[in-house]
Amino acid sequence: SQQGEEDPQALSIQEGENATMNCSYKTSINNLQWYRQNSGRGLVHLILIRSNEREKHSGRLRVTLDTSKKSSSLLITASRAADTASYFCATAEEKTSGSRLTFGEGTQLTVNP
Amino acid sequence: DGGITQSPKYLFRKEGQNVTLSCEQNLNHDAMYWYRQDPGQGLRLIYYSQIVNDFQKGDIAEGYSVSREKKESFPLTVTSAQKNPTAFYLCATWDRGMNGYTFGSGTRLTVV
Repeated sequence: SQQGEEDPQALSIQEGENATMNCSYKTSINNLQWYRQNSGRGLVHLILIRSNEREKHSGRLRVTLDTSKKSSSLLITASRAADTASYFCATAEEKTSGSRLTFGEGTQLTVNP
Repeated sequence: DGGITQSPKYLFRKEGQNVTLSCEQNLNHDAMYWYRQDPGQGLRLIYYSQIVNDFQKGDIAEGYSVSREKKESFPLTVTSAQKNPTAFYLCATWDRGMNGYTFGSGTRLTVV
């Protein structure tokens, strides 16, 4: 079953603009993570936010988590062409203590120079 | 990528043949995972192992088998029972205290 569902499926913006991607999930979670995947490559971990946190920053990334709405958002500020990639949210369910992740279907981000 | 080696990068298999995908890690992580990714889709969990000599089925285990005889190695066998094996296969590791998974660079399997 799909735990995380990203929205939008695809996003195309100009360099310098901000990109916002959303993720919704269904069950109680231990934490939620965001990953990036360049075409044909493995995933790279970007940021983790725990269920008792509401917002987290890392460089140009800002993640929010609303457990009452079971949703999260990833904001990339001042985007660059090199940010072009697919972005996935992944949830670690509470019962597995973070050892097993369920991934969403991803948002394909294209940043035009 | 990050201490995980997946081989081969590309693999072609004839229908009806079993094939084994390799995943080796030097990160000393306890847990290892196999995911399948189809074009334009997310990752689906096939099998995972949290400790040597133990593994659990994920969401789509049918037609696959694994072993975990060594901490460093978690090979995945795609059997002839897997009806649609053409996909991108990703291996990942995790250990307590880590913020996220570490992924290999993947193996692209094509059935010809």
